[in-house]
Amino acid sequence: DAGVTQSPTHLIKTRGQHVTLRCSPISGHKSVSWYQQVLGQGPQFIFQYYEKEERGRGNFPDRFSARQFPNYSSELNVNALLLGDSALYLCASSFRTGGGDTQYFGPGTRLTVL
Amino acid sequence: RKEVEQDPGPFNVPEGATVAFNCTYSNSASQSFFWYRQDCRKEPKLLMSVYSSGNEDGRFTAQLNRASQYISLLIRDSKLSDSATYLCVVNRKGDDKIIFGKGTRLHILP
Repeated sequence: DAGVTQSPTHLIKTRGQHVTLRCSPISGHKSVSWYQQVLGQGPQFIFQYYEKEERGRGNFPDRFSARQFPNYSSELNVNALLLGDSALYLCASSFRTGGGDTQYFGPGTRLTVL
Repeated sequence: RKEVEQDPGPFNVPEGATVAFNCTYSNSASQSFFWYRQDCRKEPKLLMSVYSSGNEDGRFTAQLNRASQYISLLIRDSKLSDSATYLCVVNRKGDDKIIFGKGTRLHILP
C-alpha cells in the first residue's frame, strides 16, 4: 500500500504570493493533519480534518486555510506569503480523528519564500 | 513554559552504550504519548507509543510518569543507525491537539 503522498516536494515562492500544497492519505484513513516544521524545531500543528470537517486548528493566522475532499485528500493554502513561512510542511494521516491514533507522515513539501 | 519540553542535545554516545532522555509535559490532561524518530531532512516516523505500564520494543523502552508529568526513552546497545532526532509527542485531552517537542538530537559515535 502506498503511504502518505505530498506534492510538490519542493517549492520556491516570493513574498506576497499564494501557495497550495496537496496531500493524499493512506488508503482507508479518514483524518488528515497538517504541520509546519521550521529548521531545528519540532512540527507545529496547523489543522486537522476528519470526514471533510475541520476538527482542530493550531495557532496560525487566517492566511492559512485547508480543506478535505470527499476522497479524503487535502489541500493546505497559504496566502500573502511571508519569509517566515519558509519551512517543511508535513501532512499526516490517521484512521480516525483523536490523538490516540498513530499518525503516518508524508515526506513533506519544502517551501522556500524569497 | 512550553507545553512539551525536551533537552535538545546533542547527545554524543559511543556505539554500544545505553542512553536515556526525558520529555516533560505541562498539561495534566494529556492522554496519549508517543516517541517519533526523525532522520535529517526526512519525515517523522513513529518509534513507539508510551503506555502507563511502560513498554519495551527490542532495545527501546518507554516509560510514563504521570505524577511527575514526564515520559522517557531508553535505548540499550545503541547502534550507529540510532543517530537521529527523537521527538516527544503528547496528545491533549479535550481539543485533541497533538503537541510535538522540539526534539532531542542523538549522535552515536563509532
